[in-house]
Amino acid sequence: AQSVTQLDSQVPVFEEAPVELRCNYSSSVSVYLFWYVQYPNQGLQLLLKYLSGSTLVKGINGFEAEFNKSQTSFHLRKPSVHISDTAEYFCAVSESGNQFYFGTGTSLTVIP
Amino acid sequence: GAVVSQHPSRVICKSGTSVKIECRSLDFQATTMFWYRQFPKKSLMLMATSNEGSKATYEQGVEKDKFLINHASLTLSTLTVTSAHPEDSSFYICSAPRHGRSGELFFGEGSRLTVL
Repeated sequence: AQSVTQLDSQVPVFEEAPVELRCNYSSSVSVYLFWYVQYPNQGLQLLLKYLSGSTLVKGINGFEAEFNKSQTSFHLRKPSVHISDTAEYFCAVSESGNQFYFGTGTSLTVIP
Repeated sequence: GAVVSQHPSRVICKSGTSVKIECRSLDFQATTMFWYRQFPKKSLMLMATSNEGSKATYEQGVEKDKFLINHASLTLSTLTVTSAHPEDSSFYICSAPRHGRSGELFFGEGSRLTVL
């Protein structure tokens, strides 16, 4: 089974500063990679996904992530955060599209 | 717009009663749906995989008789928390993979259960 590691449980960052949320996974086989965002008392929304092709993936709200196969990482970045980006972020991995493995989440807090 | 919908979004019940949560795929057929439980400040815990037309597959440690899952049709799965206790209070989220969309998971809005 896969394991997904989000090293940072909480990330505080000032408004308009850049941010990187880290994600590492265990499998060396071909995988699909996802980042989801969760706002308080809501379900999860897809930010972006990597299926194949270009290792740099752009998502909604100005987020992007880079797939690094050799390091089995899929870190999420944004060059300038807004207050509205305050939320919980989950990295997820799927091998087949039927079984998904989630990281423990990173709580991003944007400070005015 | 939402492609997976959950109902109710919030429910409060008395200890000992049963509560049913519905999860619907709105514009696609879902032969599989996943039910998660989320504790405060914690990640998603997969409870079970709901399979249309067959029994659900429960994760280790999840009580089958307490958390009844029924996948009645290709667009509806239900989770019934039976004889609820305060420790069952949690945020329950369903999701469904939409085949043809490269395995992307679509999530419901979540259901906040409070057992008094």
